[in-house]
Amino acid sequence: ILNVEQSPQSLHVQEGDSTNFTCSFPSSNFYALHWYRWETAKSPEALFVMTLNGDEKKKGRISATLNTKEGYSYLYIKGSQPEDSATYLCAFFESQGNLIFGKGTKLSVKP
Amino acid sequence: SQTIHQWPATLVQPVGSPLSLECTVEGTSNPNLYWYRQAAGRGLQLLFYSVGIGQISSEVPQNLSASRPQDRQFILSSKKLLLSDSGFYLCAWGTSGGIKETQYFGPGTRLLVL
Repeated sequence: ILNVEQSPQSLHVQEGDSTNFTCSFPSSNFYALHWYRWETAKSPEALFVMTLNGDEKKKGRISATLNTKEGYSYLYIKGSQPEDSATYLCAFFESQGNLIFGKGTKLSVKP
Repeated sequence: SQTIHQWPATLVQPVGSPLSLECTVEGTSNPNLYWYRQAAGRGLQLLFYSVGIGQISSEVPQNLSASRPQDRQFILSSKKLLLSDSGFYLCAWGTSGGIKETQYFGPGTRLLVL
């Protein structure tokens, strides 16, 4: 059974703080890693798709890095805002062609 | 633009009762369709996916089934619900397939089996 782990499970930060969290995945047979953002009472929305070792993606204040050799990806949020509060999910694309999701990191940003 | 609908939004059902959850997609044709479930304390788990009408692949053996009677309609069913079927059910669609396919999720159905 493939394991995708995310840490921490939850995170509370103050507005303006920068933060980061981790997604760990199997380092063998890597195809792609997806990041999604899931706000309360909304649907998960895609943030990034990462395929190459060393990939770095950025969208506004959110960025992500990828290390396929050691099997981890970091998601960074610079200058967190209350609207960044959400659960951030990573998903590993496995050889059968499906996404294996982690349990997510729930971020709460206090104004 | 594309939209995805799911209903009902919430459902409370007794153990042993049947289930039917519906998902429809608008604004795209021949999408890949997916059913996921998030049980308490767990990540999103893929239950079924479909690449075309009548084509269903099951990822997790269980008492649920899925059908795709039309191109943009995906139905999740059960003949007899179990307590363990409680959870949040999400339908999603994608078009490109492959490792970079972005999946677009519906609003979800919260199911409580008592």
